[in-house]
Amino acid sequence: DSGVTQTPKHLITATGQRVTLRCSPRSGDLSVYWYQQSLDQGLQFLIQYYNGEERAKGNILERFSAQQFPDLHSELNLSSLELGDSALYFCASSPGTVKTFFGQGTRLTVV
Amino acid sequence: GIQVEQSPPDLILQEGANSTLRCNFSDSVNNLQWFHQNPWGQLINLFYIPSGTKQNGRLSATTVATERYSLLYISSSQTTDSGVYFCAVAPSGGYNKLIFGAGTRLAVHP
Repeated sequence: DSGVTQTPKHLITATGQRVTLRCSPRSGDLSVYWYQQSLDQGLQFLIQYYNGEERAKGNILERFSAQQFPDLHSELNLSSLELGDSALYFCASSPGTVKTFFGQGTRLTVV
Repeated sequence: GIQVEQSPPDLILQEGANSTLRCNFSDSVNNLQWFHQNPWGQLINLFYIPSGTKQNGRLSATTVATERYSLLYISSSQTTDSGVYFCAVAPSGGYNKLIFGAGTRLAVHP
């Protein structure tokens, strides 16, 4: 168990819908990251938050947004979903520029 | 941006065999990690190793930062070692944003 908790584990939704993925980082970790793993793109960095502030952005679509709350949990919002958004979405946390710990992922299927 | 190349892409071993996985990266990094993704999809951190050598049981890793490569050694492989091994780097000055290689898919047969 990495200590990073993601909910839900599985999500099936229709095209055009909006979903929210939730992440609780390891106790004490201020940095939270979101990654997307798809068959064609591999593991890609989406966005990083540090203590509530956006720190770095990757190839995150405009339809996607994220935030980190005062209690350090984070949410990734995906809207106007398309079939191609089907993927495994990981949240990760770290105490700094050291080891990164990944949650079990949320498997999103858009039908 | 920084490129991360892993080799070989696929590897099939008999239980008990040893193997070496390689990761080449194209620019200086301040963070390099190895991960194992098991058949259930879970990403497990094996090593944080921006330079030097570390060992953890049957696994060891070496990073030569000046030559921009890292090696992961698996000795006496077991069927539970099957899965995909990823190398990930964070470019210098890039906070801790990890760039992943495409992975090495390992299958260990009994």
